Amino acid sequence: AQKVTQAQTEISVVEKEDVTLDCVYETRDTTYYLFWYKQPPSGELVFLIRRNSFDEQNEISGRYSWNFQKSTSSFNFTITASQVVDSAVYFCALSEAAGSTLGRLYFGRGTQLTVWP
Amino acid sequence: DTGVSQNPRHKITKRGQNVTFRCDPISEHNRLYWYRQTLGQGPEFLTYFQNEAQLEKSRLLSDRFSAERPKGSFSTLEIQRTEQGDSAMYLCASSLGGGQGNQPQHFGDGTRLSIL
Repeated sequence: AQKVTQAQTEISVVEKEDVTLDCVYETRDTTYYLFWYKQPPSGELVFLIRRNSFDEQNEISGRYSWNFQKSTSSFNFTITASQVVDSAVYFCALSEAAGSTLGRLYFGRGTQLTVWP
Repeated sequence: DTGVSQNPRHKITKRGQNVTFRCDPISEHNRLYWYRQTLGQGPEFLTYFQNEAQLEKSRLLSDRFSAERPKGSFSTLEIQRTEQGDSAMYLCASSLGGGQGNQPQHFGDGTRLSIL
């Protein structure tokens, strides 16, 4: 079973629009960590944010914000006033904190965001 | 600031040949991970090391694959008798470790393997 689901395969917006990327996760652990990574066309994965399961406080960093809701097992990512440079594939990932899976990241399939000028 | 370094960036080889990739992690990171990414998919976990100990291997890591981290610094991933299905981007990541698996993993640029 897929532990991380990113239902949006591709999203296209025009510059300055706001866009939300959805992420739904599945785990039986009570302690876990959620991440977002950005993969621009150059290919390297860039870490954006980490959240632990005990901290449901939303976070804002510049034009980026994240909404973590345990009740719906979601960790959504919003880009405000999108820019062309935001065009990339965005991955949501889960890390469980117990047992044999300690340390590994489970990635979703990614959402390709294209921002048009 | 030196990040995770992977070599080579690209490798083209004929089916049946052996290939070896190298990863140099961020120097103070004691955890090192290997992932594989195919087109249109997210990275899939292969294996990871804490210092020189290989702590977990995915079922994706068939017996044609072997990874080492002999001195707890750089790591190598070897694929023997390559097959068409091995064509992918191989990503290495490193993180601080110990305790729980919550530290961000920092990725290298990857090695793209193409099997002819």
